[in-house]
Amino acid sequence: NAGVTQTPKFRVLKTGQSMTLLCAQDMNHEYMYWYRQDPGMGLRLIHYSVGEGTTAKGEVPDGYNVSRLKKQNFLLGLESAAPSQTSVYFCASSLNRVGYEQYFGPGTRLTVT
Amino acid sequence: AQSVAQPEDQVNVAEGNPLTVKCTYSVSGNPYLFWYVQYPNRGLQFLLKYITGDNLVKGSYGFEAEFNKSQTSFHLKKPSALVSDSALYFCAVRDGGNTPLVFGKGTRLSVIA
Repeated sequence: NAGVTQTPKFRVLKTGQSMTLLCAQDMNHEYMYWYRQDPGMGLRLIHYSVGEGTTAKGEVPDGYNVSRLKKQNFLLGLESAAPSQTSVYFCASSLNRVGYEQYFGPGTRLTVT
Repeated sequence: AQSVAQPEDQVNVAEGNPLTVKCTYSVSGNPYLFWYVQYPNRGLQFLLKYITGDNLVKGSYGFEAEFNKSQTSFHLKKPSALVSDSALYFCAVRDGGNTPLVFGKGTRLSVIA
């Protein structure tokens, strides 16, 4: 099993450009999550999904959109990138079971200039 | 609302000495508590969790954590630190519902030879 994979690993955008980050998992997990990690801020939840076709807002959803058209994929979109969105983005997935741990991808380092 | 506090940004310990990384939490209902470790330029790796049962939980790489309900704490411990334990450690909590994990800001552990 590859676990949780993220594409791309690195990206540099100019302010106002758009892009989509792809997360894929092969563990048949129902739940998927997008976090951002910034120095001194820990991990903050952007959006999450509890199943195919569903999405919900997390702690810091502004400026991002998501889609979960297939169970194994969770896409994070930036429509108009801003320097404040410079961060490392992590995707995670888990089973729909209370107490089950989340599995994380390797991350995408995004720089917006 | 759920919350996690990791009161120390940095913990320094000599190799071979015991280590403790502190975590306190706030949650309504029964807590589900997790520790993750992050090595440089990597995603988060699951270390251990407390769901129910024994207050002392054993996990990967010789780590353990003690759940203390009265002090609402879940401190991570290891009897003898290794230089290779140097990393960023995150505590996380969720309640019994289908809510995503809430992470602390992280504690950087530095083990000095």
